[in-house]
Amino acid sequence: SQQGEEDPQALSIQEGENATMNCSYKTSINNLQWYRQNSGRGLVHLILIRSNEREKHSGRLRVTLDTSKKSSSLLITASRAADTASYFCATPRGDNNDMRFGAGTRLTVKP
Amino acid sequence: EAQVTQNPRYLITVTGKKLTVTCSQNMNHEYMSWYRQDPGLGLRQIYYSMNVEVTDKGDVPEGYKVSRKEKRNFPLILESPSPNQTSLYFCASSKATGTSIHNEQFFGPGTRLTVL
Repeated sequence: SQQGEEDPQALSIQEGENATMNCSYKTSINNLQWYRQNSGRGLVHLILIRSNEREKHSGRLRVTLDTSKKSSSLLITASRAADTASYFCATPRGDNNDMRFGAGTRLTVKP
Repeated sequence: EAQVTQNPRYLITVTGKKLTVTCSQNMNHEYMSWYRQDPGLGLRQIYYSMNVEVTDKGDVPEGYKVSRKEKRNFPLILESPSPNQTSLYFCASSKATGTSIHNEQFFGPGTRLTVL
């Protein structure tokens, strides 16, 4: 079963708007990671947030983590057409080292 | 340049013909992993390795084999490919800390496999 599940599955916005994607997970984690994938290409790491952190920023990205709700969100501010991609959350399980990815959110930013 | 390389990038084969997809990283990473990506299912982990001679099953290991004889290489072997193994495959590597992985994974460019 999927450990991380992203919501929504697809999101379409205009350039300049903010995009928010959510991720829920089921088991305990030691960190949660967000990745980006341009169509058919390898994933690129965006940001990692540890289980003892609540919020983290990187440029136009803001990630929050709520371990009590087992959820995380990724906010992309002032979106650009170049942000069009699929975004995945991933978690290494706390008692194991396998990595679980969600099915992803497909973001389309219209110019 | 730090990178993960995979070969081949594209492969069309027939059912039952053994094949190997190679993966190599030049970052001295302990952790390496194979994933397959199918529409609507995201990435699913096939096998991973915490270090040389240490491999473990992921979510979907059936029909696949791996080996980790050297730190930099982690080949994926399909002994008898079947059409349901048609997929996009990614290799990834990461630095491991102690007995856990805490760090970002670096992904290869992907191998698109079609089994007829």
